[in-house]
Amino acid sequence: AQRVTQPEKLLSVFKGAPVELKCNYSYSGSPELFWYVQYSRQRLQLLLRHISRESIKGFTADLNKGETSFHLKKPFAQEEDSAMYYCALSEGGTSYGKLTFGQGTILTVHP
Amino acid sequence: GAVVSQHPSWVICKSGTSVKIECRSLDFQATTMFWYRQFPKQSLMLMATSNEGSKATYEQGVEKDKFLINHASLTLSTLTVTSAHPEDSSFYICSAIRPIAANTEAFFGQGTRLTVV
Repeated sequence: AQRVTQPEKLLSVFKGAPVELKCNYSYSGSPELFWYVQYSRQRLQLLLRHISRESIKGFTADLNKGETSFHLKKPFAQEEDSAMYYCALSEGGTSYGKLTFGQGTILTVHP
Repeated sequence: GAVVSQHPSWVICKSGTSVKIECRSLDFQATTMFWYRQFPKQSLMLMATSNEGSKATYEQGVEKDKFLINHASLTLSTLTVTSAHPEDSSFYICSAIRPIAANTEAFFGQGTRLTVV
């Protein structure tokens, strides 16, 4: 069975500092990996997905199959980045949309 | 982006009663929707996959007679918690995906807070 692990429940940084939210996964096949963000009192929304290889709001994430990791990074954190971040995995194909979530990391960016 | 709406946003019910939660895709048709459950300070756990026009697929450990799912149209899936008990109190979240698109994405509802007293 697949599993997603986010080792940090809480992460605090100061504005302008680099931030990295860790995510490790276990899955025997070729997974699709996502980062979802939930701002205060808002619904979950997609931040980025590994297949797009895009940068959203300055965040990037690289899938490292050797280390089975998909860490989320941003070189200069902003206060508006404070939110709950979830790493998620999908088996893809016909199971697209069926997500296994990590425990989530609460990021707080201090002024 | 696409919008998925849940109703109600919160509900309080008495033990032993049943509660229905609706999940609607407002601007697209969704052949597949998903229901998740989130306990306080924990992650989302997939409960079931709701398929339009057919039976839902439940995850291991989820009682299908307890959590009835109906997906009667391409824009509506309902989750009914039958004979609710305090341990069913939780945050229930649905998501819907667009069927076959270049940028298929799962869109989430705002969630429903169920409190059973």
